[in-house]
Amino acid sequence: AQSVTQLDSQVPVFEEAPVELRCNYSSSVSVYLFWYVQYPNQGLQLLLKYLSGSTLVESINGFEAEFNKSQTSFHLRKPSVHISDTAEYFCAVSRPASSYKLIFGSGTRLLVRP
Amino acid sequence: KAGVTQTPRYLIKTRGQQVTLSCSPISGHRSVSWYQQTPGQGLQFLFEYFSETQRNKGNFPGRFSGRQFSNSRSEMNVSTLELGDSALYLCASSYSDSDFEAFFGQGTRLTVV
Repeated sequence: AQSVTQLDSQVPVFEEAPVELRCNYSSSVSVYLFWYVQYPNQGLQLLLKYLSGSTLVESINGFEAEFNKSQTSFHLRKPSVHISDTAEYFCAVSRPASSYKLIFGSGTRLLVRP
Repeated sequence: KAGVTQTPRYLIKTRGQQVTLSCSPISGHRSVSWYQQTPGQGLQFLFEYFSETQRNKGNFPGRFSGRQFSNSRSEMNVSTLELGDSALYLCASSYSDSDFEAFFGQGTRLTVV
């Protein structure tokens, strides 16, 4: 079975500072990895995904994540955050054979302060 | 292109009642998944439908059921509601089983009193 651990429930950071949201997963088989963002009273939006190939994946709004197989991690980073990045971020995994079934971490609330 | 639509957005029900939630996927999408989100348990997979067939079900009691219609719209039903069923229920759709991007609706906030 797969599982996802997000060690930080909340990460406060000042605007324009860098941030890293940590995600570790556990699986005996290969997995796909995802980061989703949830704004208040909204559904989830896909931020970025790793399926195969380059271990560094980027989103259009400046976030990036690196797949590290040896450390079973998929940490999310942004070099300079904005107030508008304040949201809940979820790391998720799925098995290629059943990619529609996402296993989510408990989420990390990113709080960007002016 | 319209997104995933869930109705209603908010619902208040009494313990013991039953409830039906609706999800209209993005046009052309054939896979619909349902998730329950609570502060204590986080996001948990309920079930997934593809071309009117349930392909997988999460660890939820039989009170939770669903179905998918020929137009890919899906409904989930919860019978004999319990206080612990209070949650945000999210629906996600994707084009096919090889499409790795799931598009989520805004959810239905169910409160059981």
